[in-house]
Amino acid sequence: AQSVSQHNHHVILSEAASLELGCNYSYGGTVNLFWYVQYPGQHLQLLLKYFSGDPLVKGIKGFEAEFIKSKFSFNLRKPSVQWSDTAEYFCAVNAAGNNRKLIWGLGTSLAVNP
Amino acid sequence: GAGVSQSPSNKVTEKGKDVELRCDPISGHTALYWYRQSLGQGLEFLIYFQGNSAPDKSGLPSDRFSAERTGGSVSTLTIQRTQQEDSAVYLCASSFEILAGAETQYFGPGTRLLVL
Repeated sequence: AQSVSQHNHHVILSEAASLELGCNYSYGGTVNLFWYVQYPGQHLQLLLKYFSGDPLVKGIKGFEAEFIKSKFSFNLRKPSVQWSDTAEYFCAVNAAGNNRKLIWGLGTSLAVNP
Repeated sequence: GAGVSQSPSNKVTEKGKDVELRCDPISGHTALYWYRQSLGQGLEFLIYFQGNSAPDKSGLPSDRFSAERTGGSVSTLTIQRTQQEDSAVYLCASSFEILAGAETQYFGPGTRLLVL
């Protein structure tokens, strides 16, 4: 069965620090990969996604993620975090094609101190 | 409306009672999804509707759970004979793209269900 693992459950950083959140998945076929974010008091929203093409994907607010197929990974990065990046971050995956069943990681809670 | 809306925002019920949760997707979105997020768990897929196609019910945890979507818009998730383990946040999302599973999903605020 497919699964998604997010290695960091809680991360605390100071502003301007670099961020990397790990995401690994288990599935041998072609996949679609997503990072969603939930800011305090707000709904879940898409940060970025990969489904084809350049494995380095850029999203909103300066975030990017790199799909490394050989490592089954889709790590999220940002070179310099801001206090406003404090949020819960979720990695999700589904099998490419007509499968809409997203499998989600448990999430990473990021706190950025000003 | 401007976004996905869900009602009620909170629901407290007694074990054994039935509950109905409602989702209003973004106007024009053809796909609708239900998820459950239990305490300390990630989101769990429940069911997916796309247009007039038969829904994907593969995530429903038991036959106490059912969902319908009327007129291709509003959806209702029904939980019969609720159990304490049904306590969770129930999230609804909708999308409009056709990207072979890579569609961006737009989420509602969720319904927090507590079964006593």
